[in-house]
Amino acid sequence: SQTIHQWPATLVQPVGSPLSLECTVEGTSNPNLYWYRQAAGRGLQLLFYSVGIGQISSEVPQNLSASRPQDRQFILSSKKLLLSDSGFYLCAWGRGSTDTQYFGPGTRLTVL
Amino acid sequence: QKEVEQNSGPLSVPEGAIASLNCTYSDRVSQSFFWYRQYSGKSPELIMSIYSNGDKEDGRFTAQLNKASQYVSLLIRDSQPSDSATYLCAVFFDTGGFKTIFGAGTRLFVKA
Repeated sequence: SQTIHQWPATLVQPVGSPLSLECTVEGTSNPNLYWYRQAAGRGLQLLFYSVGIGQISSEVPQNLSASRPQDRQFILSSKKLLLSDSGFYLCAWGRGSTDTQYFGPGTRLTVL
Repeated sequence: QKEVEQNSGPLSVPEGAIASLNCTYSDRVSQSFFWYRQYSGKSPELIMSIYSNGDKEDGRFTAQLNKASQYVSLLIRDSQPSDSATYLCAVFFDTGGFKTIFGAGTRLFVKA
């Protein structure tokens, strides 16, 4: 069966500090991978998606970046965090012609 | 612009009643439809998918799809307090580029 991991689970960072969030998937190969952000009480905002190693598409221009160094690893980064970067960050993997998506447990980021 | 719309709620139903959650989408070129449940502070979990017109039942859940009306719904029979959550509708649009759009979600409260 497939499993998706995210870490850390929670993170408190000062404004201007760097960020690295990691997501890994087990039990499947060549998945589509996604990073979403969910602000408190809001819907899912797609940040990045990837259909293969080194292939990243950005949906929202901002101070975040993503990388996919391995088939089942997806990393979200920032060089300098802003207050507005606070939120619940969700990684998801998708498969098949209908792109059914499954979410990881998420990382709750608070920028102070 | 592809859109998926849901009533934000909250929808409040008594325990044992049927909860009806609705979702409309803007583009006829859509093949697959998903319902996710998200408990407060947790990540979304897939509960139903539906691909063709009509009803699809899974336990206490029934998804209904009407492509002509661009409408998909989720019925929860014998609602329980544990069903209290936010329900997200997602639509897969097969028109190239990123394909799955999520609605903002409907909050459901089941009163004991």
